[in-house]
Amino acid sequence: SQKIEQNSEALNIQEGKTATLTCNYTNYSPAYLQWYRQDPGRGPVFLLLIRENEKEKRKERLKVTFDTTLKQSLFHITASQPADSATYLCALGGGANNLFFGTGTRLTVIP
Amino acid sequence: GAVVSQHPSRVICKSGTSVKIECRSLDFQATTMFWYRQFPKKSLMLMATSNEGSKATYEQGVEKDKFLINHASLTLSTLTVTSAHPEDSSFYICSAWGRNTGNTIYFGEGSWLTVV
Repeated sequence: SQKIEQNSEALNIQEGKTATLTCNYTNYSPAYLQWYRQDPGRGPVFLLLIRENEKEKRKERLKVTFDTTLKQSLFHITASQPADSATYLCALGGGANNLFFGTGTRLTVIP
Repeated sequence: GAVVSQHPSRVICKSGTSVKIECRSLDFQATTMFWYRQFPKKSLMLMATSNEGSKATYEQGVEKDKFLINHASLTLSTLTVTSAHPEDSSFYICSAWGRNTGNTIYFGEGSWLTVV
């Protein structure tokens, strides 16, 4: 069965630093990988989608990489701010097919 | 991005009663909608997938007679929790996909259900 692991359950970093979150997967060859942000008691909010033939995607302070050989995606937030504190979920799949979610990483940016 | 709205955001119901949660795609036609359940500090657990005009496909272990899903139109899906029990208390989230959203799936804000 598919297994999607995010490197740590919780990550604390200092404001202004770059946060790097890891998503590793096995037994799956996704055509797309997506990153979502979820705040407590709210539904996930879409951030970025990267395709299997794309190595890197950027959006403002966010950067996602996708290595299909390593079966890994890295999610970076540069110049992090306390407002970036949230749980970040990676998800495989998309379109009319269900998303398979990782376990999530709870990021806390310390002022 | 596309907008998906859920209603109600919070609901309290008595044990044994039924409660309906609505999921609407506001600015696109949702060919496929998904219903999830999420426990505190846990990831989303897929309950069922519904395509407009078809019966929902339920994940293993999800009782279809207890969690009734209807996707009668391209902008609305409903989840009805029948004969609710306290253990059904949870955070329920819907998501939707349509041909105009590319490969991105958009989520509703979630609905907190408390059964007393």
